[in-house]
Amino acid sequence: QSVLTQPPSASGTPGQRVTISCSGSSSNIGSNYVYWYQQLPGTAPKLLIYRNNQRPSGVPDRFSGSKSGTSASLAISGLRSEDEADYYCAAWDDSLSAVVFGGGTKLTVL
Amino acid sequence: EVQLVESGGGLVQPGGSLRLSCAASGFTFSSYWMSWVRQAPGKGLEWVANIKQDGSEKYYVDSVKGRFTISRDNAKNSLYLQMNSLRAEDTAVYYCARDIPPRYWGQGTLVTVSS
Repeated sequence: QSVLTQPPSASGTPGQRVTISCSGSSSNIGSNYVYWYQQLPGTAPKLLIYRNNQRPSGVPDRFSGSKSGTSASLAISGLRSEDEADYYCAAWDDSLSAVVFGGGTKLTVL
Repeated sequence: EVQLVESGGGLVQPGGSLRLSCAASGFTFSSYWMSWVRQAPGKGLEWVANIKQDGSEKYYVDSVKGRFTISRDNAKNSLYLQMNSLRAEDTAVYYCARDIPPRYWGQGTLVTVSS
């Protein structure tokens, strides 16, 4: 049971816009930055979004992040087949003194 | 370019010990918090431990407290994870990562606990 809650799966067709939600509490998302990662099969996670909505260099602007209260979202526009991957959200939790992750969302491009 | 290279994984029997290492390059190692994150086969990411720049603060997930020890050697640009009293549920790919939450990740090293 993950501290942050994500839907286990999401899907979309090429060119479509999809969003993945991440729900937490006042001790994590509510008071700290949210990070998003993409994990392609058999590879290490890759940072997609940091500090709620910032993209590292090299990450396409098709990926965007937002946060409101104790929830956050990752949006992917212009969906492409290579976006098929697992996506995780993460945040520091002040009560646990720990990094907490969501359970992950498997994105399928139909 | 930031590089994190883990080593030390392998097969170990339940109750055994293993020491993971992470060689860091491409940044000033002594300036950053470092973390270990693991991923059991077919499962999600789980933070294991992190350590402050000078080693003065360390945090662990409850399931490894008293069994795992995180440490670092800033002179050698290296991060370590000493794992004792290993259990089957510790079987996972272990990633070395920089920052909290992580921004950069290594490629991971597989630890398998089995008799």
